[in-house]
Amino acid sequence: AQTVTQSQPEMSVQEAETVTLSCTYDTSENNYYLFWYKQPPSRQMILVIRQEAYKQQNATENRFSVNFQKAAKSFSLKISDSQLGDTAMYFCAFMKHYAGNMLTFGGGTRLMVKP
Amino acid sequence: NAGVTQTPKFRVLKTGQSMTLLCAQDMNHEYMYWYRQDPGMGLRLIHYSVGEGTTAKGEVPDGYNVSRLKKQNFLLGLESAAPSQTSVYFCASFAAPTYNEQFFGPGTRLTVL
Repeated sequence: AQTVTQSQPEMSVQEAETVTLSCTYDTSENNYYLFWYKQPPSRQMILVIRQEAYKQQNATENRFSVNFQKAAKSFSLKISDSQLGDTAMYFCAFMKHYAGNMLTFGGGTRLMVKP
Repeated sequence: NAGVTQTPKFRVLKTGQSMTLLCAQDMNHEYMYWYRQDPGMGLRLIHYSVGEGTTAKGEVPDGYNVSRLKKQNFLLGLESAAPSQTSVYFCASFAAPTYNEQFFGPGTRLTVL
């Protein structure tokens, strides 16, 4: 079974600054996907960024980028130029390729962006 | 295109009562999932379905039943609700192979007194 660990329950950052959220996972699989989801107070789960394990290049989506270290089983999220609207819970998630394609989530990091 | 919808959005039950949560998706996805989210925690998989007429257990299936009679609908049932089932319930559907992304519904907040 896979496990996903987010070691930072809460973080804060000043508006316009950069923050990095950590995620580690444990798996014996070689073929998988990793995701970061954002959950604002509205409760809706919003996909921020995804990474395919077979790709060495780190994924980027505008102000969001990841540092994927496959050997270390680490998958951190960097948010650049933080905005007030980035305030939310952030969840790291693991998906084994095929076999139901279920998501295993970490416990989450609550991010607060301060003006 | 409504995506993934859930009915109801909120519900309060008394211990021992039963209810059914409905999830509907209009994206023709094969895979559908039910998760629960307890305060301060990530989502945990209850049951899932890889196609019409099929269901399988996830990480925390006890106390729940599911059915997938139509491809677009996935029902989650609580036969005898318990306070431990107080949670927010999320339904999701899976888009493959192009996006490999799960699309989530807005959630249902259930309180069992």
